[in-house]
Amino acid sequence: DGGITQSPKYLFRKEGQNVTLSCEQNLNHDAMYWYRQDPGQGLRLIYYSQIVNDFQKGDIAEGYSVSREKKESFPLTVTSAQKNPTAFYLCASSIAGQAYLFEAFFGQGTRLTVV
Amino acid sequence: AQKITQTQPGMFVQEKEAVTLDCTYDTSDQSYGLFWYKQPSSGEMIFLIYQGSYDEQNATEGRYSLNFQKARKSANLVISASQLGDSAMYFCAMKEPRTDKLIFGTGTRLQVFP
Repeated sequence: DGGITQSPKYLFRKEGQNVTLSCEQNLNHDAMYWYRQDPGQGLRLIYYSQIVNDFQKGDIAEGYSVSREKKESFPLTVTSAQKNPTAFYLCASSIAGQAYLFEAFFGQGTRLTVV
Repeated sequence: AQKITQTQPGMFVQEKEAVTLDCTYDTSDQSYGLFWYKQPSSGEMIFLIYQGSYDEQNATEGRYSLNFQKARKSANLVISASQLGDSAMYFCAMKEPRTDKLIFGTGTRLQVFP
């Protein structure tokens, strides 16, 4: 079945540690996205990528990094520079190009907690 | 710059009644796409309905319809015959064609009561 897989579902991190969240899709989509969601809040865009080896900062990129070495994969690293990383992280993908015509598909999310 | 505004943090509706969730947007592009998503307490994002900026007809998908008023830059979601399972967060989103940037509003929490 085609879809987006985020792993792990729950992640605990000690303060000062970097942690990487995985996002893999088999939908053959060029565009991929990372969002952060705080309790009761909306989705805020961290990074997005339209094509392999290229990505753009979203509205809250500070303290995060990404890579896009393969079309299927768009991992997000939460660095120690991110002051308040505890949140729900959602990955999405979409057809690019005429992408405004097409909806984005989402993974099940990763809940990150700093302990 | 793109912006999506949802001014209703929470809404209540009785089962079987209709409800309208508001969404206004701002963009300088002529081409854009507007989307509504539902997020139950499980956290998954469920796509509901899409409206393209050039579509002359309002989009409909089952009990969902989109009241698109381009001149007012509004794209309100109408849910007819509400069901208890409609209780969730609802997000309006917009995508730019040139950049593929997809942004969301802050959401509206809908609660359906018997």
